[in-house]
Amino acid sequence: RKEVEQDPGPFNVPEGATVAFNCTYSNSASQSFFWYRQDCRKEPKLLMSVYSSGNEDGRFTAQLNRASQYISLLIRDSKLSDSATYLCVVIPNTGGFKTIFGAGTRLFVKA
Amino acid sequence: DAGITQSPRHKVTETGTPVTLRCHQTENHRYMYWYRQDPGHGLRLIHYSYGVKDTDKGEVSDGYSVSRSKTEDFLLTLESATSSQTSVYFCAISGRTGGPDQGYTFGSGTRLTVV
Repeated sequence: RKEVEQDPGPFNVPEGATVAFNCTYSNSASQSFFWYRQDCRKEPKLLMSVYSSGNEDGRFTAQLNRASQYISLLIRDSKLSDSATYLCVVIPNTGGFKTIFGAGTRLFVKA
Repeated sequence: DAGITQSPRHKVTETGTPVTLRCHQTENHRYMYWYRQDPGHGLRLIHYSYGVKDTDKGEVSDGYSVSRSKTEDFLLTLESATSSQTSVYFCAISGRTGGPDQGYTFGSGTRLTVV
């Protein structure tokens, strides 16, 4: 089993739709969680951190469920510019610099 | 955004040749990283540095070496390139004094093809 798993998609949604991605992780001791966005043939960019209390930034909401070991990203009112690959990132509580990246979920938003 | 540049952006090389990729940052960040990204895989850490001349291995370090002689430069060398090292390589920095839990800033990447 992969340490971090994401549905690769692609998710195809119309503009204005609400779309949600989940990401599961296997290490219950994981301590830090993030969502990154990666445009085609570009570098990943930090989208938002995920806190136990949840985190909202405009149209984007991230949630953490420690009991079920998953994090989620909700995008409301999707824009064409939201089309990208969304990477789930987990940092385990093992010290050092280990970071586990999911393989990503592709999103296409269509007019 | 933090200034972080990679060179070259694209490279094609032959099997068995040494290759060096360069990462340069202008933000005086302590921590620097080299990752590779392959289809179907998440980014995987090759090597990282926590200061000048201080480096350590990541999960996929075989066949790679690094050097950091100045805060701003972190070099990745493929000692003898193989086709399995065809990939996209990203350099990254994290918080000025903190590790990856402060979030990464990535360079634009180097697309390396080994033929």
